[in-house]
Amino acid sequence: DGGITQSPKYLFRKEGQNVTLSCEQNLNHDAMYWYRQDPGQGLRLIYYSQIVNDFQKGDIAEGYSVSREKKESFPLTVTSAQKNPTAFYLCASSIVNRANYGYTFGSGTRLTVV
Amino acid sequence: DQQVKQNSPSLSVQEGRISILNCDYTNSMFDYFLWYKKYPAEGPTFLISISSIKDKNEDGRFTVFLNKSAKHLSLHIVPSQPGDSAVYFCAASQADSWGKFQFGAGTQVVVTP
Repeated sequence: DGGITQSPKYLFRKEGQNVTLSCEQNLNHDAMYWYRQDPGQGLRLIYYSQIVNDFQKGDIAEGYSVSREKKESFPLTVTSAQKNPTAFYLCASSIVNRANYGYTFGSGTRLTVV
Repeated sequence: DQQVKQNSPSLSVQEGRISILNCDYTNSMFDYFLWYKKYPAEGPTFLISISSIKDKNEDGRFTVFLNKSAKHLSLHIVPSQPGDSAVYFCAASQADSWGKFQFGAGTQVVVTP
């Protein structure tokens, strides 16, 4: 079955550590995205990528980094520079130029700073 | 600055009745709108969409209405079923910012027997 896999489901990070969230899709989608969800707020776009080896900052990119070395994979690194990293992170993908069909989302990673 | 707002954080509706979810936006350049449904511990799933050239789109029990002059859209679910209990997000995008959807905060719908 095609879909998006995010791992791990739960992640705990110590202050000052970098952590990487995994996102893999087998839908052959060109575009991939990272969103962050905080209580009482909508999903906010962190980074997105339309093609391999290219990505763009979203609305809240500070303290995050991404890479897109393969079409299937779009890992997100939460760096120590991110002031408030505790949140629910969602990865999504879509067909390029067919965004009107909507995104396919993964099941999310809940990151907690301890 | 939240450009898409869902002012009702929760909605309780009786099974068989109509659920009406509302969404307001501030950016007049938005021309494409989506609704997503999210169950706990799962990612959102695409429900229905509408472009600004239409004022209504229907898919089974789900209908989305768009009022461009009021910058308002709504999702109607008729009849509501227990499986509709979930969080619903509306999202909006403009043509020249492909890939950047703005999301509302979501509305938790609870369908009671």
